Amino acid sequence: QQQVKQSPQSLIVQKGGISIINCAYENTAFDYFPWYQQFPGKGPALLIAIRPDVSEKKEGRFTISFNKSAKQFSLHIMDSQPGDSATYFCAASTLTGRRALTFGSGTRLQVQP
Amino acid sequence: DAGVIQSPRHEVTEMGQEVTLRCKPISGHNSLFWYRQTMMRGLELLIYFNNNVPIDDSGMPEDRFSAKMPNASFSTLKIQPSEPRDSAVYFCASILRTGTGNTIYFGEGSWLTVV
Repeated sequence: QQQVKQSPQSLIVQKGGISIINCAYENTAFDYFPWYQQFPGKGPALLIAIRPDVSEKKEGRFTISFNKSAKQFSLHIMDSQPGDSATYFCAASTLTGRRALTFGSGTRLQVQP
Repeated sequence: DAGVIQSPRHEVTEMGQEVTLRCKPISGHNSLFWYRQTMMRGLELLIYFNNNVPIDDSGMPEDRFSAKMPNASFSTLKIQPSEPRDSAVYFCASILRTGTGNTIYFGEGSWLTVV
């Protein structure tokens, strides 16, 4: 019940295109859904996060869409750039109590110039 | 803000040797996490501490693994004896537990190779 499933495993997008990564969760106790970005040799870093009281959150070129009834959320990267090439992890946790992040398996994004 | 500081960044050791990984969380943060990252299993939570107290160590793979947090500014993850399958990147992360603070900050990781 702690699992977070992420797809696709890898993604190749042309510069200027839209990158879409999907995640699904099982535990209905989760109420915080962040996306982390990881560059080679670095630790994951928070990119954007959403709580289930909204269906969408946008920060610059990055948007999270959230579907509470389907227990799914996705990351959209608009106007993808070569500098966005990294591994993206969705995650889920609770805002109180345990708070430890449960991560998806990661998506390796490559944006071709 | 120096961020979460981990050492060593890289460690190569022989099977059977003891390995100690170190972490300094962000000053003022009161929860600390140890994660392990491998290609096969992704990012796995090993253990986490609240106010220096271990809360959940269910992710610690075996008795060979142990973690301590003697004070708010230091934690260790020890593997004894180490095995080749322990080769991974070990991340330490910290968070300030407040009503609204949710960002977990990661260190740059300790890359462990056991030969």
